[in-house]
Order: sequence, then structure tokens, then C-alpha cells
Amino acid sequence: DAKTTQPPSMDCAEGRAANLPCNHSTISGNEYVYWYRQIHSQGPQYIIHGLKNNETNEMASLIITEDRKSSTLILPHATLRDTAVYYCIVSYTGNQFYFGTGTSLTVIP
Amino acid sequence: AAGVIQSPRHLIKEKRETATLKCYPIPRHDTVYWYQQGPGQDPQFLISFYEKMQSDKGSIPDRFSAQQFSDYHSELNMSSLELGDSALYFCASSLVWSSGSSLNEQFFGPGTRLTVL
Repeated sequence: DAKTTQPPSMDCAEGRAANLPCNHSTISGNEYVYWYRQIHSQGPQYIIHGLKNNETNEMASLIITEDRKSSTLILPHATLRDTAVYYCIVSYTGNQFYFGTGTSLTVIP
Repeated sequence: AAGVIQSPRHLIKEKRETATLKCYPIPRHDTVYWYQQGPGQDPQFLISFYEKMQSDKGSIPDRFSAQQFSDYHSELNMSSLELGDSALYFCASSLVWSSGSSLNEQFFGPGTRLTVL
């Protein structure tokens, strides 16, 4: 599975959009991009995943570049409860995930 | 909605002892995954089972073994415990599509915190 690179930490003002980048320059054509988050030692929580097209659900939007070498997770209106570590994961089958170091997002009141 | 259940939630063991962690997947989910998360570390994939057969293997030590039973619950058996085994152990479950790949999300349990003294 391809490796991912994320900034170690980010801050976001409450109510503003949080844009979390991820680089996956070695991604292959049949690998999906998944995003999970982990709030303080709880079990990781699924956010969204995609292959080529941009995706949106009730939690977030996923923007994947045309060459698929990077993506951005967008939390449209960040709240204090969105403070967590966000993991970008690339996986072919979704059967095993290799978590990178993630981005620690802090939402500031 | 029912979630993944893990037991026990906390476990304290001495070095060289054995431990068994249990995982009950979401009803109708047929795949179980085990992850280990050391203090300040990211979750590390250990092993997974699909329909009671081992499907993928990650960085699971030889001292550990796991299986999935007929009711789809899974157990992670850990022997000759070492101090470095102290960690959060997460179980996740998902429903595998007929193509053999799980493109759906993995649902994680609350974890078992193992402390080895």
C-alpha cells in the first residue's frame, strides 16, 4: 500500500472550514483514499473514502487531485468536538490499514 | 445501533503471563481486524479474519495468535507477555463484499487497554 504524508499538526478556528492535506504520490490506480479520525484514545472513526471523484457526506468532503497524488479532507464548519488526530490511509482492498502519523487538529474557540 | 464490543476494557498482567482479548463484531459483519496502539504511537495492523479464515497478516509477533469463531467473534491470544506489549488493542469489523475486498468502512471498538507490569 502507498505511503502517505500529512502535516503533524494544524489549528482551526471554531466555525471555520478545516482543510487537512495529504500527499500520496505513490498511489496506484486501484488504491482508495480513506480518512479516519481518532479522538483521544477512542477507537478510530471512519469519515470518508474515495477513488477518483470528489466525495461528500454528512461529516466531510474529500477532494482528490486529478493525478491522485494528493487529497484534502474538508470539515466545513469545525466544532470543538472535531479536535482529533486525522489519518489519511491509502489501501487497495480496505482489508488492512496502515496508519501514518496523522494530523493532530486542534479547533480553537 | 450495535457497535463492536471488546472485552475486557482494561487488563493488567505480569511479565511472562498470558492474556486473551475478545472482540464481538457488529451483527452480520463477517470480517474482524486487530490493531495495536502503543503509547504515543499510531495504530498498527496485526491480523484480520474473513469468514473464520485468516485473511491478512501484519506486524503480529509470533507470541500472539488469533482466531475467529463460528459466531464471528474473535480472540487475540498473547503469551509470554513483555513490557512492550502494553498498549491499546483495537478490534474493528466490516462487511466484505462478494468480490473479496472490503471497500466499506471498518468500525472500531472502544479498545482494550493492556498493561504489563
